[in-house]
Amino acid sequence: AQSVTQLGSHVSVSEGALVLLRCNYSSSVPPYLFWYVQYPNQGLQLLLKYTSAATLVKGINGFEAEFKKSETSFHLTKPSAHMSDAAEYFCAVSDNNDMRFGAGTRLTVKP
Amino acid sequence: DTGVSQNPRHKITKRGQNVTFRCDPISEHNRLYWYRQTLGQGPEFLTYFQNEAQLEKSRLLSDRFSAERPKGSFSTLEIQRTEQGDSAMYLCASSLSSLNEQFFGPGTRLTVL
Repeated sequence: AQSVTQLGSHVSVSEGALVLLRCNYSSSVPPYLFWYVQYPNQGLQLLLKYTSAATLVKGINGFEAEFKKSETSFHLTKPSAHMSDAAEYFCAVSDNNDMRFGAGTRLTVKP
Repeated sequence: DTGVSQNPRHKITKRGQNVTFRCDPISEHNRLYWYRQTLGQGPEFLTYFQNEAQLEKSRLLSDRFSAERPKGSFSTLEIQRTEQGDSAMYLCASSLSSLNEQFFGPGTRLTVL
């Protein structure tokens, strides 16, 4: 069965600092991997997705993620954090049928 | 197109009552998904439809939960005899096909007193 593990339920960075949110996956088939962001009282918004093309995926709002098969990882990064990046971030893995989400990482950005 | 919509946005009910939530997907999307999200957790998959066919329902939480998509457009999720443990955010998503991005609605927050 497929699953994802997000390391760190809460990450705090200073404005302008590097953002690194960790995600490791488990899948018996080549995975499709996603990062979603959720702002308070809102639904989830897709940041980026990996579908077996380029291993470095660029998304919206300056985020990117790198698929590393050898490490079964799909970590999310952004070179410089903005205050508006404060939100909950979810990593997810999908096959043809359902999507499995991690428990989420809450990102706090300090001024 | 205004995206996925869900109604109501909030529902407060007493234990033992039945509740029904509605989801209107993006119009050309064939797939529709239901998730439950509890505080501090990621969305938990419940069920999904391909057009009007419900292709997976084994992950519905109990037989008190049921979902329909009678004409392949909007969908409803019903919870019968609600319990306090059913309090959560219920999210709906739709996609064009199985491997496309899922677009999420804003959710329905259920509180069972």
